[in-house]
Amino acid sequence: ETGVTQTPRHLVMGMTNKKSLKCEQHLGHNAMYWYKQSAKKPLELMFVYSLEERVENNSVPSRFSPECPNSSHLFLHLHTLQPEDSALYLCASSQDLTDSLSSYNEQFFGPGTRLTVL
Amino acid sequence: SQQGEEDPQALSIQEGENATMNCSYKTSINNLQWYRQNSGRGLVHLILIRSNEREKHSGRLRVTLDTSKKSSSLLITASRAADTASYFCATAEGGSYIPTFGRGTSLIVHP
Repeated sequence: ETGVTQTPRHLVMGMTNKKSLKCEQHLGHNAMYWYKQSAKKPLELMFVYSLEERVENNSVPSRFSPECPNSSHLFLHLHTLQPEDSALYLCASSQDLTDSLSSYNEQFFGPGTRLTVL
Repeated sequence: SQQGEEDPQALSIQEGENATMNCSYKTSINNLQWYRQNSGRGLVHLILIRSNEREKHSGRLRVTLDTSKKSSSLLITASRAADTASYFCATAEGGSYIPTFGRGTSLIVHP
């Protein structure tokens, strides 16, 4: 196990539903990330948080809303999704955003949530 | 955003053979990382190599970095069926330390 957990592991939702994905890291890391992985596409970075502050939002539609209440937890709130949003959503954490002799930005990934939007 | 591109997209070999995957990128990097992903699972970090390093080893893995050619290679020696997975390179480019990923190389090792 990588020390990063995600729930639920599988989620099926209709386009009018509201649901949330949860990520928790037990590594004492300061940075957390949300990625979307669709078939035959590169891993897409969605959001980055550092010390609970959002530092990157990669032009993600507003139907995806992240929340980072503390450095150990990260949520992705979903509403009014489209079928093309079906994908594997991966959470990751790293010690920091910077890379130095004492601090790597090596990422630890959770197992992902397989989302299907009907 | 800039990202590394892996080559080949798919690789199929027999157990015991070596597997070589390449990654090319476009701008200067701070570091380059290789990750592995088993089907439908999260990614697992393998090796990080910094821009001032040329080669790193970890077990049966060997990573090289050629900044003049803007490329890296991942060599898996004496491959095993359990090495079957997708392998991704991730580059932190320009002033950013946030890695961006390529499409990956799908490796199949036949027993």
